Amino acid sequence: RKEVEQDPGPFNVPEGATVAFNCTYSNSASQSFFWYRQDCRKEPKLLMSVYSSGNEDGRFTAQLNRASQYISLLIRDSKLSDSATYLCVVNRGDYKLSFGAGTTVTVRA
Amino acid sequence: NAGVTQTPKFRILKIGQSMTLQCAQDMNHNYMYWYRQDPGMGLKLIYYSVGAGITDKGEVPNGYNVSRSTTEDFPLRLELAAPSQTSVYFCASSYSTLRGSYEQYFGPGTRLTVT
Repeated sequence: RKEVEQDPGPFNVPEGATVAFNCTYSNSASQSFFWYRQDCRKEPKLLMSVYSSGNEDGRFTAQLNRASQYISLLIRDSKLSDSATYLCVVNRGDYKLSFGAGTTVTVRA
Repeated sequence: NAGVTQTPKFRILKIGQSMTLQCAQDMNHNYMYWYRQDPGMGLKLIYYSVGAGITDKGEVPNGYNVSRSTTEDFPLRLELAAPSQTSVYFCASSYSTLRGSYEQYFGPGTRLTVT
């Protein structure tokens, strides 16, 4: 079983829509969690960290469910510029991260 | 701050050639990492370093070598390039936050093709 699993999508949504997707992780000892954004042919960039039950940053909301071992990301009022691949990333408590393969989101005009 | 820089951006190698991918960071981060990313796949850890003079293998180290003589630099060496090493290579650095997590910051990547 992969350490971090994501629905690859793609999620095709119109501008202004809400889109949400999940990620599951296998190691119950995982300590901290992140969402990274990766644009086509670019490096991953940190979108937000998820430390406790969840947090919000503008139009982005991340939720963590430790009991079921999943993390979700919700994007409200989608913009064209939100089109990207979103990587779910898990830290087991050491200095190494485990990356999911990513969920592709395409926002259309 | 330039952050994490990588050179070259693109490279085409012939089978059996060698090359060094350069990575540097100016954030004084102790931890540095090399990943490869194949199409549609997640990032796979090749090598990592917890400080100058200390390196260790990740998930996919075969065919690669690293060194860390300074905090800033973490070059990746490919010996005897093979087509299976065609990939995008990302270097990253991190530090331990107050919460004890290790947010990583990435360089722009090197696209390598081996033919």
